[in-house]
Amino acid sequence: NAGVTQTPKFRVLKTGQSMTLLCAQDMNHEYMYWYRQDPGMGLRLIHYSVGEGTTAKGEVPDGYNVSRLKKQNFLLGLESAAPSQTSVYFCASSPGPTSQYFGPGTRLTVL
Amino acid sequence: GNSVTQMEGPVTLSEEAFLTINCTYTATGYPSLFWYVQYPGEGLQLLLKATKADDKGSNKGFEATYRKETTSFHLEKGSVQVSDSAVYFCALGHWEVDSNYQLIWGAGTKLIIKP
Repeated sequence: NAGVTQTPKFRVLKTGQSMTLLCAQDMNHEYMYWYRQDPGMGLRLIHYSVGEGTTAKGEVPDGYNVSRLKKQNFLLGLESAAPSQTSVYFCASSPGPTSQYFGPGTRLTVL
Repeated sequence: GNSVTQMEGPVTLSEEAFLTINCTYTATGYPSLFWYVQYPGEGLQLLLKATKADDKGSNKGFEATYRKETTSFHLEKGSVQVSDSAVYFCALGHWEVDSNYQLIWGAGTKLIIKP
C-alpha cells in the first residue's frame, strides 16, 4: 500500500495563477482532509470530506476550493494564488472520526 | 472553545537524557488526545493516543498519560536517541455540534538530540 500520496511535492506560482493539488489514498478511508502548516502555527484545517461527493469548510477555507468526486481522491484548488498562501500543504485520511494518516506534503511558494 | 498549548521549542537534549514535552488542553466534553511526530521532510505520523481520562498511550519508548484533573497530556521518554530529533505535535480530537469530528492542533515542539 502506498498510503497517502500527494502531487506535486514542490510548486512555485506567480500571484494570480491557479493550480490544483492532488491527494490520493489507497486505504479505502471515508474521511479526507487538507491542512496548511505555517511556522509556529501548527496545522490549520482548510477543508475536509466525510465521504465521496461531500466537502465541508475547515478553519481557513477562504481562497481554496475542494472536490471529492472519487473516494480515493481529494483535490485542493487555488483559483487565484496569493503570497499569503505560501505554505506547506498536507493531506490526510482516516477510516472514521479518529487518528489520521498523513501524506508527505506539498511545499508551495507564491511569488 | 477547544485549544491545545504546547511548550515552545526548540528543546535541545543530549543523547540518553530524559525527555518531557508539555501539552495542556482546554475542552468541553471528553476529547481524545494524540501525539504526532514529524521527521524532517516528512508528513506527520501518529505516535500515541489516549481516549479517556487516566489512559496511558505508549509507543517506541514514548509515553503520555491523559490527566483530566490537570488537563494535560505530557509526552515523556526515559532515554532519547539522535533519531528522535523531530517536531512533536499534541492534538485534541472532539465532536463538533454539527456531528463532525475535528482535530485541534498544538503549534508543535521541535526536539533536537545531540550525540
